[in-house]
Amino acid sequence: KQEVTQIPAALSVPEGENLVLNCSFTDSAIYNLQWFRQDPGKGLTSLLLIQSSQREQTSGRLNASLDKSSGRSTLYIAASQPGDSATYLCAVGANSKLTFGKGITLSVRP
Amino acid sequence: NAGVTQTPKFQVLKTGQSMTLQCAQDMNHNSMYWYRQDPGMGLRLIYYSASEGTTDKGEVPNGYNVSRLNKREFSLRLESAAPSQTSVYFCASSEMRGYGYTFGSGTRLTVV
Repeated sequence: KQEVTQIPAALSVPEGENLVLNCSFTDSAIYNLQWFRQDPGKGLTSLLLIQSSQREQTSGRLNASLDKSSGRSTLYIAASQPGDSATYLCAVGANSKLTFGKGITLSVRP
Repeated sequence: NAGVTQTPKFQVLKTGQSMTLQCAQDMNHNSMYWYRQDPGMGLRLIYYSASEGTTDKGEVPNGYNVSRLNKREFSLRLESAAPSQTSVYFCASSEMRGYGYTFGSGTRLTVV
């Protein structure tokens, strides 16, 4: 059974800091990995999708990497802003299903 | 706007009542999914439909039924609601295996 882990559960950083959010998964037989953002009381917004054949994807200040063999992905956020405060969820796609980690709640202090 | 639409957005049920959560997507996606999100448990898959005409159980299917009405619509039914089904329910769709998922805005269900 695929298990996805995101540690720590919460993170607080000062504005302007570059930060890395980690995600690990137990079964490397995946199609892709997707990072989502969720604001309190809201739905999920897709940030980046990395196919299993890719190593990384970039969108603006966000960069996500994937190391399938070691079961790890990182989401890099450059020059963090208070508007980046949200919960970040990692999810791996395999066997027609998406399995989620429990998320990292990020707070960026002004 | 293109995307996944869920109705209703909020619902309060009494124990034992039944209801159907509706989901529709207008992106011509083949696969659709129902998840529930609970504090400390993350998102868990209830049921999914890999293509029109097929449905399969996910991680937590007990107490739920689904219907893939057509390619656009995938409904989730609670036949006899229980307090343990208090949760936020999300519907999602994807073009097919290996493609990214698009999520609806959720239905917040409380069973009293």
